[in-house]
Amino acid sequence: EAGVAQSPRYKIIEKRQSVAFWCNPISGHATLYWYQQILGQGPKLLIQFQNNGVVDDSQLPKDRFSAERLKGVDSTLKIQPAKLEDSAVYLCASSSLRGTYEQYFGPGTRLTVT
Amino acid sequence: DQQVKQNSPSLSVQEGRISILNCDYTNSMFDYFLWYKKYPAEGPTFLISISSIKDKNEDGRFTVFLNKSAKHLSLHIVPSQPGDSAVYFCAASAKAAGNKLTFGGGTRVLVKP
Repeated sequence: EAGVAQSPRYKIIEKRQSVAFWCNPISGHATLYWYQQILGQGPKLLIQFQNNGVVDDSQLPKDRFSAERLKGVDSTLKIQPAKLEDSAVYLCASSSLRGTYEQYFGPGTRLTVT
Repeated sequence: DQQVKQNSPSLSVQEGRISILNCDYTNSMFDYFLWYKKYPAEGPTFLISISSIKDKNEDGRFTVFLNKSAKHLSLHIVPSQPGDSAVYFCAASAKAAGNKLTFGGGTRVLVKP
């Protein structure tokens, strides 16, 4: 079974530029999550999708961050414009609908904003 | 408000000995707890979990203990192996909150040969 795929793995941009991250979850997983992990901290949930609908985006800075999951499979997370404090690893995870709490994570995208 | 806390940022242990990682939580709605292991440049991988209706769950060298009254859980790794060197995250979930995970800050474990 293929795992969660993410691209790019690394990205360096200047502040005020925009950036987009892509995630392909495990096949058949209905729920998809985006997390932000700042160095030295645990992952923090940004947004949760179930199929193509948003379940929870309470911690997403909506003035600059946006995410979509068209067709309920792949997802993109965008930051526009980026700030220095957005430097972090962005992790995508997915889980099935079958009552499990277990989430499977991709390798992450390390973003550096200069 | 940090609902899940791992108060030890790092732990060093000799190969073959026991590693004990601790985690405290404040939200009494949490009903499921998980431990994830993370190597550099990789995403976290699921290690072991425990439901709030249990007080112990064991899987090979890994055992998780839950003390609901103290809102505390711990992960025991015995015997510790050099390959166990990684960052370990405690996470908690509440069914009422849509099963989203709230993570602690992590504990970096170094197993010395």
